[in-house]
Amino acid sequence: TQLLEQSPQFLSIQEGENLTVYCNSSSVFSSLQWYRQEPGEGPVLLVTVVTGGEVKKLKRLTFQFGDARKDSSLHITAAQTGDTGLYLCAGYYGQNFVFGPGTRLSVLP
Amino acid sequence: DVKVTQSSRYLVKRTGEKVFLECVQDMDHENMFWYRQDPGLGLRLIYFSYDVKMKEKGDIPEGYSVSREKKERFSLILESASTNQTSMYLCASKPTSGRARRYEQYFGPGTRLTVT
Repeated sequence: TQLLEQSPQFLSIQEGENLTVYCNSSSVFSSLQWYRQEPGEGPVLLVTVVTGGEVKKLKRLTFQFGDARKDSSLHITAAQTGDTGLYLCAGYYGQNFVFGPGTRLSVLP
Repeated sequence: DVKVTQSSRYLVKRTGEKVFLECVQDMDHENMFWYRQDPGLGLRLIYFSYDVKMKEKGDIPEGYSVSREKKERFSLILESASTNQTSMYLCASKPTSGRARRYEQYFGPGTRLTVT
C-alpha cells in the first residue's frame, strides 16, 4: 500500500505570516498534485508537478517536488484569510492516485 | 474551464433503498472516478473507468456498482444503502494524454449522502 503523509495535520496562523506544509512518502510517484478543498465542496486542483526537483509558483504559493519524487512541499507567503481550507496532496502511482489525509489551514484576520 | 457536475448536493435515503449518484463532465475526458471522503480516512477510490462501458474496482468497491454508458457520464449505484455508506461522494475526471495534464483530476462539488 502506498501511503502519503501530510504534516502538520492542523495549522492556525495570523494573516500575513508565511507557512510550509509537507507531503511525504516512501514510494516514488510519477507525479504529485496539490488541491485545496473548502467545507462542503470538492477539491480544486492547484498544481501538478512531474519532474524531480521541480518548483512551480502560483502567485503567493510555491510548490516543490522532491528530487527523488517521494515528497513535496507547499509554501505560502503572506497568508490571507482566503487561503483557509484543507490542503490535499495526491500522488500518481501505477494506474491511480493516492491521497494524503490533508493539512487543515486556518488563517485568522 | 473543466466542469464536473453531480446530480445532487445533499441526499437523504433510508436503509435498503437503491441510490443513484450521477456525474457529468464536459471536457471529453476519458477517465472518470468515484471517491468517498470520510473524516480521518481521507479520499478513498471506489471505482474508476477509463473508457465507455469499462470499469475497474478501486480500493473499496464493496456495496457499490457503476455504469458508464456515455463518455461524459459516470453513475455510482448503491444497490441497498446502509448506514455505513453515509459519506461525502466525489466524482472526478481526467484526460489520458498530456505530459502534466494526464495527471490532473477535476472534481465535482460532491454529494453529501446520509443513510438513515
